[in-house]
Amino acid sequence: AQKVTQAQTEISVVEKEDVTLDCVYETRDTTYYLFWYKQPPSGELVFLIRRNSFDEQNEISGRYSWNFQKSTSSFNFTITASQVVDSAVYFCALSEASNTGNQFYFGTGTSLTVIP
Amino acid sequence: GAVVSQHPSRVICKSGTSVKIECRSLDFQATTMFWYRQFPKQSLMLMATSNEGSKATYEQGVEKDKFLINHASLTLSTLTVTSAHPEDSSFYICSATDKNTEAFFGQGTRLTVV
Repeated sequence: AQKVTQAQTEISVVEKEDVTLDCVYETRDTTYYLFWYKQPPSGELVFLIRRNSFDEQNEISGRYSWNFQKSTSSFNFTITASQVVDSAVYFCALSEASNTGNQFYFGTGTSLTVIP
Repeated sequence: GAVVSQHPSRVICKSGTSVKIECRSLDFQATTMFWYRQFPKQSLMLMATSNEGSKATYEQGVEKDKFLINHASLTLSTLTVTSAHPEDSSFYICSATDKNTEAFFGQGTRLTVV
C-alpha cells in the first residue's frame, strides 16, 4: 500500500501566485518523520523540512510554509508568491521510527511549473 | 552539516559493461546506507539497504546479482550495475544516516546505457 500520496502530478501557476502541494501519508507507527524535498532538473534532492510526529506546530520559512495535521494524516506545503526558481519536482516523504537507519518512502512527486 | 558524496554524477556506458557508483559519508560514520532508483518522471524507489559488514537487503523485484552492493567500511557503500542494459538507464541516489538518525542524500548518479 502506498504510504505517501501526492495526488497532484503537475501544477502550473503564474508567478506571484500562491500554491499548495498536498501530501497524505499512511503509517501505523506513532513515531515517524515527514519530509519535503525539492528536486530541480539537475536531480539532487534539496532538503526543505523535517517534521516529527509529535510536533504538529505549523512552520513558516520565508515564502514556504507547512501545515501538518495528524487528524487527516496530511502534511501540505504552501509556497507564497511563487517565483520561476520554484519550478521543480517536489517530493513528500515518510520515515518510520520502527525502520532502523531511516528508510524513506517517497510520494510520486508533484511537478511545479511557475510561469513568468 | 553532514555530507554524503556520490560519484560519478553522470556516466554513459556501453551495453554489457559494468558500472560502479560510490556513496561516501564524508564526516560521519554510516552503518546503514540506502540505494534508490528513479526512472524519468517517476518517484524514488528503494532498491536495497546496505549494511556495513553484512549482505545488503534487496527490495522485491531488484536483482541482487545484477545490482551488487558492497558496504566494506562505515563511510563507503558501492553499487555496481553489472552487464548494464539500456533499461537500467536511470537516476541512482544513495542516502546515509548519521548517529542522530538524520538522513542525508548523495547528489545522485545519472546512468545512461547505450
